[in-house]
Amino acid sequence: DADVTQTPRNRITKTGKRIMLECSQTKGHDRMYWYRQDPGLGLQLIYYSFDVKDINKGEISDGYSVSRQAQAKFSLSLESAIPNQTALYFCATRGRDQETQYFGPGTRLLVL
Amino acid sequence: GENVGLHLPTLSVQEGDNSIINCAYSNSASDYFIWYKQESGKGPQFIIDIRSNMDKRQGQRVTVLLNKTVKHLSLQIAATQPGDSAVYFCAMAPGSSNTGKLIFGQGTTLQVKP
Repeated sequence: DADVTQTPRNRITKTGKRIMLECSQTKGHDRMYWYRQDPGLGLQLIYYSFDVKDINKGEISDGYSVSRQAQAKFSLSLESAIPNQTALYFCATRGRDQETQYFGPGTRLLVL
Repeated sequence: GENVGLHLPTLSVQEGDNSIINCAYSNSASDYFIWYKQESGKGPQFIIDIRSNMDKRQGQRVTVLLNKTVKHLSLQIAATQPGDSAVYFCAMAPGSSNTGKLIFGQGTTLQVKP
């Protein structure tokens, strides 16, 4: 059973549409992260959260927003999608006294 | 700024040989380093980590070496198997901040030839 799940796994949308990516975890971790991965590149941090309703910007937060209404869930929204937001999106979790982050399977997003 | 870079984008090895994947970093205050493995269609999977107060750590078939003098990190895989084929990322925690932010390298694709 997966500890960190992401929905949807694949999404195609059009420029200007609003979309939401969901992340859920059963690890009981309080810290959650959203990353973006572009082809041939490493992961870049979009937003992170230490607890419910705590929100912090990462390296590339412009054009994105997040919501943390429950400890187990962290959602990422693109208010008005644009083609250069086409990428793989990963959610990760981390326990309070741990350094290691655990990743979900990813969402592949295509913006036309 | 903080940078993490890998020496080679692709590494091809024969099954059974040892693999060495390298990574360089620029922030001397970094105190925690991780190696992740990412298989096609999956998220990064934790392999092994090391803190800056150590220079070597071993796991099952994997060893991480840290050289703080030259800011270099390497992952050694013993007796490489076809299942080891994946993209390998090094990542580091920049300094003593407790934000948990990780800086990732660009990844090395390991190809294992039968």
